[in-house]
Amino acid sequence: AQSVTQPDIHITVSEGASLELRCNYSYGATPYLFWYVQSPGQGLQLLLKYFSGDTLVQGIKGFEAEFKRSQSSFNLRKPSVHWSDAAEYFCAAYRRGSYIPTFGRGTSLIVHP
Amino acid sequence: DSGVTQTPKHLITATGQRVTLRCSPRSGDLSVYWYQQSLDQGLQFLIQYYNGEERAKGNILERFSAQQFPDLHSELNLSSLELGDSALYFCASSATSGGQETQYFGPGTRLLVL
Repeated sequence: AQSVTQPDIHITVSEGASLELRCNYSYGATPYLFWYVQSPGQGLQLLLKYFSGDTLVQGIKGFEAEFKRSQSSFNLRKPSVHWSDAAEYFCAAYRRGSYIPTFGRGTSLIVHP
Repeated sequence: DSGVTQTPKHLITATGQRVTLRCSPRSGDLSVYWYQQSLDQGLQFLIQYYNGEERAKGNILERFSAQQFPDLHSELNLSSLELGDSALYFCASSATSGGQETQYFGPGTRLLVL
């Protein structure tokens, strides 16, 4: 079955530190991949997406993600975290030709001052 | 602001009741998706409409139904409500129906069933 796994339920970092949020997928072929962020009481905002081509994808708010086919991963990174980055982060994927995305369970990011 | 609007923002109702959630997609988007987000199930895809027609179905209960109108807004109807239906309901829209599309999410409707 197709699945998206975010191994870390919570991650705590200090403001200014670097961040990496993990995402692994299990699909027969490389799916389309996305990262979304959800602030408390808000909807999901698209951070970045990967369809094909360059495996390092730049997004909004200083985020980037790297697609690694060999590891079936699409990890999200940020070199220096700001307190306003504290939120829930979701990785999502869908099979090419499908209309139905699968979301990971989310990673809650806590930022210490 | 994604351009997707949802009403109401909050809804409190009793078990056994019926409610209607409304979604207006971004201007020009033909596809509307509905999702349910709960603590125990995470974010679950319910149903998709494309230009007025049902395109894909996910884990949607028979008590739930949806439709997309000619002006492309969509409604999600939840009936015979149970305590377990309490959740955040999101609508998302996209320009196409498959392929390299990106979904843009509304702010959600928080439903509380008492």
